[in-house]
Amino acid sequence: QQQVKQSPQSLIVQKGGISIINCAYENTAFDYFPWYQQFPGKGPALLIAIRPDVSEKKEGRFTISFNKSAKQFSLHIMDSQPGDSATYFCAARRRGTASKLTFGTGTRLQVTL
Amino acid sequence: GAGVSQSPSNKVTEKGKDVELRCDPISGHTALYWYRQSLGQGLEFLIYFQGNSAPDKSGLPSDRFSAERTGGSVSTLTIQRTQQEDSAVYLCASSLGDRETQKLFFGSGTQLSVL
Repeated sequence: QQQVKQSPQSLIVQKGGISIINCAYENTAFDYFPWYQQFPGKGPALLIAIRPDVSEKKEGRFTISFNKSAKQFSLHIMDSQPGDSATYFCAARRRGTASKLTFGTGTRLQVTL
Repeated sequence: GAGVSQSPSNKVTEKGKDVELRCDPISGHTALYWYRQSLGQGLEFLIYFQGNSAPDKSGLPSDRFSAERTGGSVSTLTIQRTQQEDSAVYLCASSLGDRETQKLFFGSGTQLSVL
């Protein structure tokens, strides 16, 4: 059972454009939603995270939008740059389970010149 | 060290052999996790260690998989009688372990190939 569904599987965006990656979850016990960025040959690195008591969180060019009623959250990358080309994973954590995360299947982002 | 260190970075083995994967977490991190990343899939939780507590083994896919953490630091993931479906990148992560601090720091992983 895929508890966190991520789309699209891959995304090509022109430099300067907006990249949008969407995730949906089923378990209402999830209380923490991080996004991880992974470059080839490296482990994932935390990019930004949100809790369900807020609808949006912004850090630089990266924004998470969270819709609790729809059980959806998305990552927006503004002014996308070639250096943003990586695989992005959304994840969710069930309350009380430390960092035992359930990950989406990943989105491979390519930012072209 | 500055980050989570995993060894070996690559491991090729024959079906039926046992393998050991090692993880050195960030100094001072009390929580240690193992995840598995298969091609085209997300990360799959395997096992979690927190301090001296009993590990959470709920993600281990079969009894061929086991892990230990010695002295609250280094961890070893052992896969016995490897199968081709065990081929994946095995990622180790550590965190401070505080309930409100969930930031995971991942190593670069061990790419396991079972022939």
